[in-house]
Amino acid sequence: RKEVEQDPGPFNVPEGATVAFNCTYSNSASQSFFWYRQDCRKEPKLLMSVYSSGNEDGRFTAQLNRASQYISLLIRDSKLSDSATYLCVVRTIYNFNKFYFGSGTKLNVKP
Amino acid sequence: GAVVSQHPSWVICKSGTSVKIECRSLDFQATTMFWYRQFPKQSLMLMATSNEGSKATYEQGVEKDKFLINHASLTLSTLTVTSAHPEDSSFYICSARETTETEAFFGQGTRLTVV
Repeated sequence: RKEVEQDPGPFNVPEGATVAFNCTYSNSASQSFFWYRQDCRKEPKLLMSVYSSGNEDGRFTAQLNRASQYISLLIRDSKLSDSATYLCVVRTIYNFNKFYFGSGTKLNVKP
Repeated sequence: GAVVSQHPSWVICKSGTSVKIECRSLDFQATTMFWYRQFPKQSLMLMATSNEGSKATYEQGVEKDKFLINHASLTLSTLTVTSAHPEDSSFYICSARETTETEAFFGQGTRLTVV
């Protein structure tokens, strides 16, 4: 079973739409959670960390559900520039060096 | 923000040759650097973790004699793919961080094609 699972998509949405991605993780010892954004053929870039209480950064909201072991990312008022692959990343308490990446969810925002 | 520079961004090599990829932290001292590999439509998979001045720790299934990692200074780590084969063709990405408390930044990645 994969450590981190994501729906690969693609999610095709019009500009201005609200879109949500979920990600599940298998290791209950997972301690830190992140969403990264990866543009085609580029390196991943940190979008936001995910805190237990949930957190918001502009149009982006991240939620963590430890009981169900899933993380979500909500994007409001989608922009064309939001088109990318969104990677869910977790880290366990056993190895702070090791990040487990999901395979990513592709988002296409259409005009 | 912090910048990690990876070079080359793409390389094509013949089967059996070796390829060296460099990863540099430009404005911070990277005590730890990580090397990942990403096949198309798959996750980034950690290959190895290296701390400056010590031997790299390889993940299970990664051949340390084939993927040589050197982290000789606080700003430079190199990955050498020795005796490359077509199945080694992939996107290799490094990341670097200053401490366990700071964010790890990624290099731009190197697309390796072995023909």
